[in-house]
This record gives sequence, structure tokens and C-alpha cells, in this order.
Amino acid sequence: GAVVSQHPSWVICKSGTSVKIECRSLDFQATTMFWYRQFPKQSLMLMATSNEGSKATYEQGVEKDKFLINHASLTLSTLTVTSAHPEDSSFYICSAPFGGARTEAFFGQGTRLTVV
Amino acid sequence: DAKTTQPNSMESNEEEPVHLPCNHSTISGTDYIHWYRQLPSQGPEYVIHGLTSNVNNRMASLAIAEDRKSSTLILHRATLRDAAVYYCILRDGNNYGQNFVFGPGTRLSVLP
Repeated sequence: GAVVSQHPSWVICKSGTSVKIECRSLDFQATTMFWYRQFPKQSLMLMATSNEGSKATYEQGVEKDKFLINHASLTLSTLTVTSAHPEDSSFYICSAPFGGARTEAFFGQGTRLTVV
Repeated sequence: DAKTTQPNSMESNEEEPVHLPCNHSTISGTDYIHWYRQLPSQGPEYVIHGLTSNVNNRMASLAIAEDRKSSTLILHRATLRDAAVYYCILRDGNNYGQNFVFGPGTRLSVLP
């Protein structure tokens, strides 16, 4: 079964509202989690790295004030899309680097965000 | 991160073997070769990984060239459920907290 759980699977929100997406590691502790965004027919692009106990680091071009990341515990990271607009509609995916390159990594199921 | 190149798309008939190639000519000695696949509207799913030797698991086999500059993911009998985008990714064995760098991957279509 999945060891990284993402919730919700899909969400529709009105333009201007905020949406929170949760990412939980179920069987292990994750000091680091990654958030990706995927637009239709495109590959996953790293948005930010979530660090437990410290600030998230954002990739170039990603607005930190718009995409708020909170790594509240060793098993939970949240991504809040603030003041969402239709162009924020996308597929958001989290992952945790369990064990590094020598083992498999785990990804959440993804969250389909639609802003209307 | 070292780059990989894969064909954009491939097609296979159901119940036939599929060989998905990946070139990684700039691979370093500590890079592991990982394969993940993404089914429609889902997050990526682990398939297999290896360092130098060929690997087999219940899902697939990974054949790694002797010089490690290329690898091939082998699905022994393709099913309709194997239709997905397959990503070949290099991950540094010395970097525990490394994120994934996704290329476009190979979109595999399986024909009934």
C-alpha cells in the first residue's frame, strides 16, 4: 500500500479562495518532502522543498507567498494555495525521499486542483 | 543532476514484451538508475532501480549496459494496465535528500 498519502485527491475552488493540500508519510518519518506541479501533457516540475523545523525552499519562479508550505511534523507537510486563480489549476504531487537513492521513493496520489 | 534521454513514445501489443530504452551518457559512479511510471491522474509509482548489475522484480527487469551509459526497462508481458508514462531518472547515492528531476519520459501505449 501507499506509504505517502495525499489529501484531497481533487478539489474545486472559487477564484480568490485558498486551498490546503496535505501530504503524510504513513510508515516513516520524513524530515524533507518535495512538492511538484504538473500541467496537462507535461512532466512534473519541482516547486519547493519542505523541511521539518525550518523554512521551505522554493524553486525559481515559484511565489512563496502564494504557495505556503508548512512542515508541521515529521509525518505531515501541507501546501496551501492562497488566493487561487484559474492559472493555478494543476496536478500537485508530493513525495518523500525515503532511504535516498539506494531505495525506492514514494509519491502521493496527487491532488487535482481546479480553480473556477 | 545528470540528464537522461528517452523516446517520447512507444507502442506495444498486449502480452508482448516491451523494451524501454534510456540513455544517460553523463552518469557518475555514484548515480543509481531509477525507473518510475505514472498512470493517468496518479502520482508516480516506483518500478525498479539499480546501480551496476541487472535487476529483476515482480514488475519488470532492468538491464544496465556495462559502461552504464544506457539502460533498458523490460516489461516481460505488457498489459493494458501498463499504459503509462515511464520516467528514467538518475539519483545520486551520496545525496540522501535529493529531489527527482523529471524529464518528459516515454509514453507507452498498449494495444489490445
